[in-house]
Amino acid sequence: EAQVTQNPRYLITVTGKKLTVTCSQNMNHEYMSWYRQDPGLGLRQIYYSMNVEVTDKGDVPEGYKVSRKEKRNFPLILESPSPNQTSLYFCASSSGSQGGTQYFGPGTRLLVL
Amino acid sequence: QKEVEQNSGPLSVPEGAIASLNCTYSDRGSQSFFWYRQYSGKSPELIMFIYSNGDKEDGRFTAQLNKASQYVSLLIRDSQPSDSATYLCAVTKGSGTYKYIFGTGTRLKVLA
Repeated sequence: EAQVTQNPRYLITVTGKKLTVTCSQNMNHEYMSWYRQDPGLGLRQIYYSMNVEVTDKGDVPEGYKVSRKEKRNFPLILESPSPNQTSLYFCASSSGSQGGTQYFGPGTRLLVL
Repeated sequence: QKEVEQNSGPLSVPEGAIASLNCTYSDRGSQSFFWYRQYSGKSPELIMFIYSNGDKEDGRFTAQLNKASQYVSLLIRDSQPSDSATYLCAVTKGSGTYKYIFGTGTRLKVLA
């Protein structure tokens, strides 16, 4: 089954404790992206990657890091999480076809205390 | 001015009616336009994409794009209670980019 997976799905952590949210896709998509979704602010793009070793900032990259060492994986790293990073995070991938249609993972709900 | 604007709703329509959802965008260079549906607590799923001026129909859904006026709309015919969800409008930022800007979504309620 073609899918984007994220782990963990739920995470409670404390300020300053480094964490990684994994994202993996099995569709051989070149493009991957991370979003956060907050009430009243909608989905905002954090980082995206056009291919292996090629990444670029979205609209809200501060406090986040990403890497793309393999085509299928695109982890999101919070080196020192803060409460304002409490949010619902989505990973997405795209082949670039259909206008750049993205397929989203199930989401990771993060609470930073 | 937000880059992509949608009325937050809720938009309430009776079952069987046409629901009309609207979205305006500010970047004239935007090339691809998407409508996603998001049920509460779930991830967005694609309804339609459009990149040429005019209408594009897929089953009960019709997307309309007017680049001169910078708006894109989604019509849902014969609305069903299962269509009740939040509808997100998304556009690509500039031309030839993979930066996406999403609206905050319009909540649709279809009343049985």
